[in-house]
Order: sequence, then structure tokens, then C-alpha cells
Amino acid sequence: EDQVTQSPEALRLQEGESSSLNCSYTVSGLRGLFWYRQDPGKGPEFLFTLYSAGEEKEKERLKATLTKKESFLHITAPKPEDSATYLCAVHPSNAGNNRKLIWGLGTSLAVNP
Amino acid sequence: DVKVTQSSRYLVKRTGEKVFLECVQDMDHENMFWYRQDPGLGLRLIYFSYDVKMKEKGDIPEGYSVSREKKERFSLILESASTNQTSMYLCASTPGGQDSVQYFGPGTRLLVL
Repeated sequence: EDQVTQSPEALRLQEGESSSLNCSYTVSGLRGLFWYRQDPGKGPEFLFTLYSAGEEKEKERLKATLTKKESFLHITAPKPEDSATYLCAVHPSNAGNNRKLIWGLGTSLAVNP
Repeated sequence: DVKVTQSSRYLVKRTGEKVFLECVQDMDHENMFWYRQDPGLGLRLIYFSYDVKMKEKGDIPEGYSVSREKKERFSLILESASTNQTSMYLCASTPGGQDSVQYFGPGTRLLVL
């Protein structure tokens, strides 16, 4: 069964303390892996797409990497405004022509000043 | 920028009422989705549509129906609202072709009393 697992469920960091969030996936084949940021009471905001192992994407303090079994979202020198829930989703190859994604439950990140 | 809008941010309804949630996207996207999001359960797909008048059930379609009469508009209908349908409802859209990134609206927080 296709599955996406995110860890940890929650993470509390001090401002400037770098860390990584993990998204491990079990799918028959990967068309794409997506990272989103979600602020409380709002819809998820797209951050990155990764398509193949070894690929990396960066945006400000965030860097996403991909292997054959997992993806990491590295946060370098975080600031309080990086506090949010980070969601991971995968688009499996066996999804056919539809665009159904499989979602993880997210990691809730809190960055203290 | 992709814009997905939802008709209401907050909604309070009574048990048994018929509820309409509307979603509009302005980017001529082929595919549209309705999710609900609950603490500890993550994003769960209710219905999706890959073309006008075309729809497919997601993972939790019971108690819901949808309508897509125009390409830009996707409506979610709760035929007879129940308290267990209290949730955050999120609409998303994605273009056709290879791009399967989903772009989300701001969400509707529905309370059924």
C-alpha cells in the first residue's frame, strides 16, 4: 500500500538552530514529491517539487532533498516566521492520469525567538 | 500567480441543512479537488474532478456530492449536514499535463451544530 510518513510529528527549535524534517515514502513508483507549508487556519502553500533521487531545491532558508526512499526538508538558521506545519505529498506512478496525491500528516514546527 | 478562492472562510450550519461550498480557480486548470482536514487525520480526499461534468470519488465521499458545470468552478454539497462533518474544507486545483502540483484555496472552516 502506498504510504507517506513524516517525522517528527512536532519540532521545537531555537531561532538559528538548524534541523531537518523527514518524509519517508513507500510507493510503487514516484512521479513527484511535494513539500507544502501550512499556517494555522490557512490552506497549504506550495514550496517544492522533486522528481528524482539526488535532486535538490532551495528557497531562502529551506532546502529539500530526495532519495529513493525519503525526502528531507532542511531548515538553516530558522526564524520565528518559519513556524508552521510542513506537509509532504507524493504522486505515485500508478495513479494513472489522475492527479491524486498521497499526503503525510505533517510536521508542526515552532521556532522560538 | 494561481488563485483559488473559496466562497466562505467560516460557516455555521444546523444538523440536517443542505450546505454548499464553492471553489473557483482562475488558471484554467483541468483538475480540481475537495479535501477535508482534521487534527490527527491529515488531508483526506473527498472528491475530485478532471474535467467539466466529470467527477470521481476520493477516499471519503459518503455524505457529500459535487458539481462541476464550468471548468473554473467546483462545488461541494453536503446533502444533510451532520455534526461529524464539522471540519476544515480545502479546495485545490492542478493543471493538466505533467505538472501535478496542487494549489490550494484558503479553506472553509465549517461548524455543524
